[in-house]
Amino acid sequence: QKEVEQNSGPLSVPEGAIASLNCTYSDRGSQSFFWYRQYSGKSPELIMSIYSNGDKEDGRFTAQLNKASQYVSLLIRDSQPSDSATYLCAVKWTSYDKVIFGPGTSLSVIP
Amino acid sequence: DGGITQSPKYLFRKEGQNVTLSCEQNLNHDAMYWYRQDPGQGLRLIYYSQIVNDFQKGDIAEGYSVSREKKESFPLTVTSAQKNPTAFYLCASSMEGLGDTQYFGPGTRLTVL
Repeated sequence: QKEVEQNSGPLSVPEGAIASLNCTYSDRGSQSFFWYRQYSGKSPELIMSIYSNGDKEDGRFTAQLNKASQYVSLLIRDSQPSDSATYLCAVKWTSYDKVIFGPGTSLSVIP
Repeated sequence: DGGITQSPKYLFRKEGQNVTLSCEQNLNHDAMYWYRQDPGQGLRLIYYSQIVNDFQKGDIAEGYSVSREKKESFPLTVTSAQKNPTAFYLCASSMEGLGDTQYFGPGTRLTVL
């Protein structure tokens, strides 16, 4: 059974702080990892993907992957109220033909 | 502009009716997907298709049907057999088959009256 877990939150951070969102997954052999942002009532939009251990940075966003510990995280630097949304983690396993989405973490950035 | 379109944005259905949700993409993606999202919950896969004229059941296919007659189109029919169809329906597509980055359409919100 492939599972992706996230803390549902809500996670509240003050404006300008670093928001840290975590995601853990079952089974090794994973291949691809994705972070999506979903505003209330809207569809998910891709923030970034990561495939190798280590950090990947894109603007204020940094994805961190640790396959040995089976977790992937998303850091948002200089958080803005516009970052308030639900963040979905998704994992694709090499041996499995579907992408599994986590339940999402709700982030609230307080002005 | 390339992208994924879904229509209608809002749909109201009476109990016992079948309704069809449209999904079209002009990204030249091979794979297309349908997900259902209920309030406060994650995405659940209904059906997916890797190539034209072929599709597979996802985790919650009962009460739904799809077709893939053209590469750019993947309509979803919600039948009267679906007991609790009120939800937010999302269509997505990806290049080179499953597992590649999925891009989502704007969604259709279905409400059963």
